[in-house]
Amino acid sequence: QVQLVESGGGVVQPGRSLRLSCAASGFPFSSYAMHWVRQAPGKGLEWVAIISYDENNRFYADSVKGRFSISRDNSKNTLYLQMNGLKIEDTAVYYCARGYYYGSGRLWFDPRGQGILVTVSS
Amino acid sequence: DIVMTQTPLSLSVTPGQTASISCKSSQSLLHSDGKTYLYWYLQKPGQSPQLRIYEVSNRFSGVPDRFSGSGSGTNFTLKISRVEAGDVGIYYCMQSIQLPLTFGGGTKVEIK
Repeated sequence: QVQLVESGGGVVQPGRSLRLSCAASGFPFSSYAMHWVRQAPGKGLEWVAIISYDENNRFYADSVKGRFSISRDNSKNTLYLQMNGLKIEDTAVYYCARGYYYGSGRLWFDPRGQGILVTVSS
Repeated sequence: DIVMTQTPLSLSVTPGQTASISCKSSQSLLHSDGKTYLYWYLQKPGQSPQLRIYEVSNRFSGVPDRFSGSGSGTNFTLKISRVEAGDVGIYYCMQSIQLPLTFGGGTKVEIK
């Protein structure tokens, strides 16, 4: 079955870096755009970044532009989010999601997934 | 960026009654291709968000017909008929006519 499993979260000091991974299975990963969406504790959903199926197109929320980088390895069916210069306000649960196509709002989140928590704290 | 505004912030509904959530966008979500890129997601407690409605009024696979979406341009509504206990959670509208994708602030639906 289709599955997305996030990993790589944890506690990190402000200014440091962290890389999240999202292992995909059960579907042709290399055919789909992929997203990162986050949710700060007790807050709503915030879209973070998108990458096209072939890595040729990427787009970021202003809040992370220049600090975060989305990438993928289609040979490993894995999505990444490199987070540099972390700020306290980046503290959130991060979800990866499959897009219907690049730019589509039809996002599929793994219903069994709970995302991965990133805590930025000194 | 397009701002999505939802009302109300929360809603307490008697089982069997109808819940209605409003979503307004700061710009029209009608694309030149004729489609309107407005979506509704439900995030149940402790779970990831799940798509309920896409392109204003299309129910996603497995979503019961008690859920209906309507609207056009910048004003949209999600209605949940015959509300059940399993419908509780936070509902978010979202637009995809342009990047960045943006979500509304969410509407928490509870059962009385």
